[in-house]
Amino acid sequence: DVKVTQSSRYLVKRTGEKVFLECVQDMDHENMFWYRQDPGLGLRLIYFSYDVKMKEKGDIPEGYSVSREKKERFSLILESASTNQTSMYLCASSSTGWWGMNTEAFFGQGTRLTVV
Amino acid sequence: DQQVKQNSPSLSVQEGRISILNCDYTNSMFDYFLWYKKYPAEGPTFLISISSIKDKNEDGRFTVFLNKSAKHLSLHIVPSQPGDSAVYFCAASEGSSGSARQLTFGSGTQLTVLP
Repeated sequence: DVKVTQSSRYLVKRTGEKVFLECVQDMDHENMFWYRQDPGLGLRLIYFSYDVKMKEKGDIPEGYSVSREKKERFSLILESASTNQTSMYLCASSSTGWWGMNTEAFFGQGTRLTVV
Repeated sequence: DQQVKQNSPSLSVQEGRISILNCDYTNSMFDYFLWYKKYPAEGPTFLISISSIKDKNEDGRFTVFLNKSAKHLSLHIVPSQPGDSAVYFCAASEGSSGSARQLTFGSGTQLTVLP
């Protein structure tokens, strides 16, 4: 089974802190993603990566950065946490399948981040 | 501007009956569609998908229908069971060369199956 593991289930951080969310996948997937889920807004893509050291902005990258130094690990960084970044953060991975079509994305269990 | 819309935030169905969840999209370049199920405090899990070359895909109790001309897809669950109670997200992606396909998600529909 594909496993996507996020380092923390729950985090409480103070405004202005630098926050690291870690994600590891064990299926040698090329692609990794960070989403946030907010009520009524669904899942919104923050950043994604299709290869080591490669990253692309999603729909809401402001206030975030990412790092992918190894294929299995994708980190989301909140440079200076703010209360509007309180959310559920979800990491996902996928492989690039036949004819460039991705297979489905597999998600981690999520990290509930509260910024106070 | 939401490219994938789930206009019903909630749906209640009696156990044993059919659940129909709907999803509309605006981007005509989308060619691959997926449904995910999400329980509270867990990540979404993949349920079923359909390519734009098909109009129906079935997997056990779950069937997804795609109407490209109407830019509409639906998920049918029959018979519905209490364990199906969850938030269901519709997602779509478009073909691209090179980089990873992004999934664009709808806002979700909370399905409650009543015993």
